[in-house]
Amino acid sequence: GDSVTQMEGPVTLSEEAFLTINCTYTATGYPSLFWYVQYPGEGLQLLLKATKADDKGSNKGFEATYRKETTSFHLEKGSVQVSDSAVYFCALSDRNFNKFYFGSGTKLNVKP
Amino acid sequence: GAVVSQHPSWVICKSGTSVKIECRSLDFQATTMFWYRQFPKQSLMLMATSNEGSKATYEQGVEKDKFLINHASLTLSTLTVTSAHPEDSSFYICSAGRASSYGEQFFGPGTRLTVL
Repeated sequence: GDSVTQMEGPVTLSEEAFLTINCTYTATGYPSLFWYVQYPGEGLQLLLKATKADDKGSNKGFEATYRKETTSFHLEKGSVQVSDSAVYFCALSDRNFNKFYFGSGTKLNVKP
Repeated sequence: GAVVSQHPSWVICKSGTSVKIECRSLDFQATTMFWYRQFPKQSLMLMATSNEGSKATYEQGVEKDKFLINHASLTLSTLTVTSAHPEDSSFYICSAGRASSYGEQFFGPGTRLTVL
């Protein structure tokens, strides 16, 4: 069946380090892919998305490319900040919400 | 746009009482609404999915008589935890989706429930 697998955390980085959080998926059809972020004590909010193969989603310096050939949607940022400390969830969904899956979340800690 | 609110943001109740949590889409009509429970160590558990005017679809293992979901309109869904017990203490998050969002869910800020 369909699923999303993301790297386990926590990930601890120093400020200005390069970030990669891996996410791979299995799916039939052509789902949309998402990265959501959850700051402490809050709900989830969309960080970026891609709705078709080869699309690149980007926001706040974060990027992820929908790669169908490797079934991946890795999250990257060139220079992290302390304020990026949060939990990041990779997710996939079809357009009608008939199927949607979240990864288990990766906690990112950025130290000054 | 696409703002979802939850009320209350936190609640403390005595064991055996019922608690109602509201989820509202403030500036759009939600095709579908979702209820999640978030456990320590961040994992999200989908509890149920509901469409306006129809009964909620509960995930396996979720007691529908304990977690009552009412999707009264295109902008409001409620979750009632009946006869709450300490093991029901958790962070409950709702989200909403709309037909034009390509599968994106818009999340509420969550409700922290503590049952004494």
